[in-house]
Amino acid sequence: AQKITQTQPGMFVQEKEAVTLDCTYDTSDQSYGLFWYKQPSSGEMIFLIYQGSYDEQNATEGRYSLNFQKARKSANLVISASQLGDSAMYFCAMRDNFGNEKLTFGTGTRLTIIP
Amino acid sequence: DAGVIQSPRHEVTEMGQEVTLRCKPISGHNSLFWYRQTMMRGLELLIYFNNNVPIDDSGMPEDRFSAKMPNASFSTLKIQPSEPRDSAVYFCASTRGQGSNYGYTFGSGTRLTVV
Repeated sequence: AQKITQTQPGMFVQEKEAVTLDCTYDTSDQSYGLFWYKQPSSGEMIFLIYQGSYDEQNATEGRYSLNFQKARKSANLVISASQLGDSAMYFCAMRDNFGNEKLTFGTGTRLTIIP
Repeated sequence: DAGVIQSPRHEVTEMGQEVTLRCKPISGHNSLFWYRQTMMRGLELLIYFNNNVPIDDSGMPEDRFSAKMPNASFSTLKIQPSEPRDSAVYFCASTRGQGSNYGYTFGSGTRLTVV
């Protein structure tokens, strides 16, 4: 069974600072995918970034990067130069890449950017 | 690309009534997922389909819940009879399928309130 753990229920960060959102996972699968989603107060789920377990480089998408440490089973999201619009819930999720396609989500971290 | 389309956006119903939620996935996506989000349980998978066939329905709470996907462009989630504890946001999501590194695209969700 897969499990995602997000230990930070809430974070407050000053605008323009970088922020790291923690995510650890547990799985017995050899090939898996890790995802981050953003959920603003309006409620929609917005896909941010994906990392495959066999990808040698950390994924990056604009201001988002994923700090993937396979041996430690962690997949932290780094947001550079935070903006007020980054205030939202952030969810880490994982999927088995060769079996069940379901995404298993963590409990989320509520990020608040302070002006 | 119109994205994943869910209807209705909001539904308020009385306990005991039948509720039907609808979803149109992105054209070309062959996997469709129904998720439920509550404060207590977070995001949990109810059921998912691949090529219109139910693959994993282990998250369906009980016999009151049923889901269908009669064709590649339409799915329904039905609750009969509804209960107050079914109050939640129900998301539909779709993806291109196994091994894809594309994010799962979520609809805007249906906020269900059972009184």
